[in-house]
Amino acid sequence: GAVVSQHPSRVICKSGTSVKIECRSLDFQATTMFWYRQFPKQSLMLMATSNEGSKATYEQGVEKDKFLINHASLTLSTLTVTSAHPEDSSFYICSARDPTGVDYEQYFGPGTRLTVT
Amino acid sequence: AQSVAQPEDQVNVAEGNPLTVKCTYSVSGNPYLFWYVQYPNRGLQFLLKYITGDNLVKGSYGFEAEFNKSQTSFHLKKPSALVSDSALYFCAVRGSGGSYIPTFGRGTSLIVHP
Repeated sequence: GAVVSQHPSRVICKSGTSVKIECRSLDFQATTMFWYRQFPKQSLMLMATSNEGSKATYEQGVEKDKFLINHASLTLSTLTVTSAHPEDSSFYICSARDPTGVDYEQYFGPGTRLTVT
Repeated sequence: AQSVAQPEDQVNVAEGNPLTVKCTYSVSGNPYLFWYVQYPNRGLQFLLKYITGDNLVKGSYGFEAEFNKSQTSFHLKKPSALVSDSALYFCAVRGSGGSYIPTFGRGTSLIVHP
């Protein structure tokens, strides 16, 4: 199946700093990527839908200025957590949709564990 | 609006016994149904999906799921559980038309005891 990578897998940053997480589709071009946040023992919360070449669509309650999403190419989307706070500590997962797939399947990255101290 | 319910936060089963992880859904139109598995600190791995056709769908690692339209259910099953099956399982649904973004259930933690 298709492969989606995320980098870094784990990051620790200080409160007030910004951190960037990359999501790459390795063997297909993803016109659409999704960013999720997962709290311990909870389901995935969709944060935003990232479309190549256009602005991301954010879900209600997600701060656009805090969680900056850029989808500059068909294989790369980035999530930047700006002015990070300890409450931003979470597991962030991206997924990419293969537009050539029969059923618009989503392929998930391995996730990034963010810890803000 | 579409929704998914996984009524059990945790399922415990002895190794070698059959397992069932329950999922019910609500969606407009025909459902596209998915099961994913997540191991600790990892992303989601696709297990199986139902789009159309046979109600019994076979997937990875010996898992299968049965689509029941009248009960709007898509329960995940395996005839003989392994300790290595212990993980978090997510059911997801999306409609055949409109938004292609799936809705995920809250997840069920499967614990297989030796």
